[in-house]
Amino acid sequence: DIQMTQSPSSVSASVGDRVTITCRASQGISSWLAWYQQKPGKAPKLLIYAASNLQTGVPSKFSGSGSGTDFSLTISSLQPEDSATYYCQQANSFPLTFGPGTKVDIK
Amino acid sequence: EVQLVESGGDLVQPGGSLRLSCVASGFSFSSYWMTWLRQAPGKGLEWVANIKQDGSARNYLDSVKGRFTISRDNAKSSLYLEMNTLRAEDTAVYYCAPYDTSRGGLDYWGQGTLVTVSS
Repeated sequence: DIQMTQSPSSVSASVGDRVTITCRASQGISSWLAWYQQKPGKAPKLLIYAASNLQTGVPSKFSGSGSGTDFSLTISSLQPEDSATYYCQQANSFPLTFGPGTKVDIK
Repeated sequence: EVQLVESGGDLVQPGGSLRLSCVASGFSFSSYWMTWLRQAPGKGLEWVANIKQDGSARNYLDSVKGRFTISRDNAKSSLYLEMNTLRAEDTAVYYCAPYDTSRGGLDYWGQGTLVTVSS
């Protein structure tokens, strides 16, 4: 199985800050990576698919990059509504596997 | 509008059984692989099982193989998860989601149904 790691595990930033979360796969997954946002008590929401493609309806302040084993999700200007946990997920092979999550808080 | 409505979650004793259901609408159910995922309280996301469009292929998380069975009824746009020999570690919110193999993402999720395994 492909293992996914994320860093940092949590980040606290101010409104307007640029926040970057990284995700690493235990083996190459080309661009088969997705990012999700999950708020407490809610189902996850797809933000990015195929490493860098913005899901329909997702604000352009979210962007993704990377390929192979190293990926990143950037929030260009953090807003209070972005407070959530963010997960990466590899789609290169079954079983689909997720990173442990990065909790983003507002200072 | 896409909707996925899971049901069937309950409190069950260790060793017990449950059947989860997911009714889908607003998209072409029969065109997608369908997936069950779960999230234990305070923990991360875990893929559990998926099933091909026509039911001809199924994949399972190792820890549920032999205990869980995924199935679907395309005529009813419904997905099922038969769960047997439940363990405490199966306690979680269970979600269903269509899996887009061309993009690798889980575009839509239901609200989830809570399974609690406890004596």
